[in-house]
Amino acid sequence: DTAVSQTPKYLVTQMGNDKSIKCEQNLGHDTMYWYKQDSKKFLKIMFSYNNKELIINETVPNRFSPKSPDKAHLNLHINSLELGDSAVYFCASSPSQLVLADTQYFGPGTRLTVL
Amino acid sequence: AQSVTQLGSHVSVSEGALVLLRCNYSSSVPPYLFWYVQYPNQGLQLLLKYTTGATLVKGINGFEAEFKKSETSFHLTKPSAHMSDAAEYFCAVSEVNSGNTPLVFGKGTRLSVIA
Repeated sequence: DTAVSQTPKYLVTQMGNDKSIKCEQNLGHDTMYWYKQDSKKFLKIMFSYNNKELIINETVPNRFSPKSPDKAHLNLHINSLELGDSAVYFCASSPSQLVLADTQYFGPGTRLTVL
Repeated sequence: AQSVTQLGSHVSVSEGALVLLRCNYSSSVPPYLFWYVQYPNQGLQLLLKYTTGATLVKGINGFEAEFKKSETSFHLTKPSAHMSDAAEYFCAVSEVNSGNTPLVFGKGTRLSVIA
């Protein structure tokens, strides 16, 4: 059973297009995250949702819009894609945002390439 | 604000040799400390974490780490490297009382194991 799943695994698109990445977790966790990993493997948090509500919104262009239809899903929509958006995007979940010692469980990643 | 420094972006060891990956943190309050591993083309998974209590923490796959407050360090070790240990390793810190402040990751250390 896949705990945190993401689709698609690979996404190749042209500059200026709009694309979405979907994430689902079947762990019953309250909190979900989006991370961006750049070409140097540096991981940076983008967003965090707790029970469908946005709790962390780091300095991310407003072309990126997360949406959480329910606490098991957190999707990422990106408008007007730019070359610099090329990266691997990871979804993660944890039991609760209130428990900082909680382990985060990561999805397999979506490799986005903008041409 | 907390931060993490991983010394050495790339460490290479022979199979059977000691693995030592270094991590130093900066935190104004007692931290929670984590080591995550990322195998090629996969998401991150938890190796081990320190929250409270015993400062020597044992994780999966024979890895362990010791929290040394006086040195602000949380180095990862394994007595004998195996080929399957080749991966990217990330140290991360989360502060107690940091509210919604997320996990902060180091820049990662790539471990190569030579036969």
